[in-house]
Amino acid sequence: DAKTTQPNSMESNEEEPVHLPCNHSTISGTDYIHWYRQLPSQGPEYVIHGLTSNVNNRMASLAIAEDRKSSTLILHRATLRDAAVYYCILRDASSNTGKLIFGQGTTLQVKP
Amino acid sequence: ETGVTQTPRHLVMGMTNKKSLKCEQHLGHNAMYWYKQSAKKPLELMFVYNFKEQTENNSVPSRFSPECPNSSHLFLHLHTLQPEDSALYLCASSHDSGGGTAQYFGPGTRLLVL
Repeated sequence: DAKTTQPNSMESNEEEPVHLPCNHSTISGTDYIHWYRQLPSQGPEYVIHGLTSNVNNRMASLAIAEDRKSSTLILHRATLRDAAVYYCILRDASSNTGKLIFGQGTTLQVKP
Repeated sequence: ETGVTQTPRHLVMGMTNKKSLKCEQHLGHNAMYWYKQSAKKPLELMFVYNFKEQTENNSVPSRFSPECPNSSHLFLHLHTLQPEDSALYLCASSHDSGGGTAQYFGPGTRLLVL
């Protein structure tokens, strides 16, 4: 699976939008972009994933650059419960190993 | 009950004990996984099961022995563990193990080996 690069940490104010960036310059044409988050003392939680087009769900939006070499996870209104480590992970659509390779992620701090 | 459940949530065991971790998913998924998360380290995939068949063993020591009796249940049998095996053990499931599917995690079992 291709490598991703994320900032180590970010800060946000409560009720403001948050844009979490991810660079994946070596992404292949069959790589899906997945986002997970892990709250303190909990298991990871699936957030969103996409291939080429932007995606929206009840938790977040995923904006994918036209060349697919970067993407941004958007939390529209951050709450204190959104404070977590956010992981951007690439997974090859042609692979059946199920392997999710977690890096260091971005630690998001939300200030009241 | 919904989602992925794991029992026990906490476990303390000696190096000579034998114990088992249990995972159950209520999502109708066909793939199940065991991950390990040690302190200050990223999650590491241990095992993958597809339709009850093991399809991935990520060089895990034999003192960890998985069992998948059906698509809804996954066990991790532990014996003669070492203190360095102390970690959070997470179970996950997904519809299949393809790259375009999401994995759903349980809350984990926090294991302490004395």
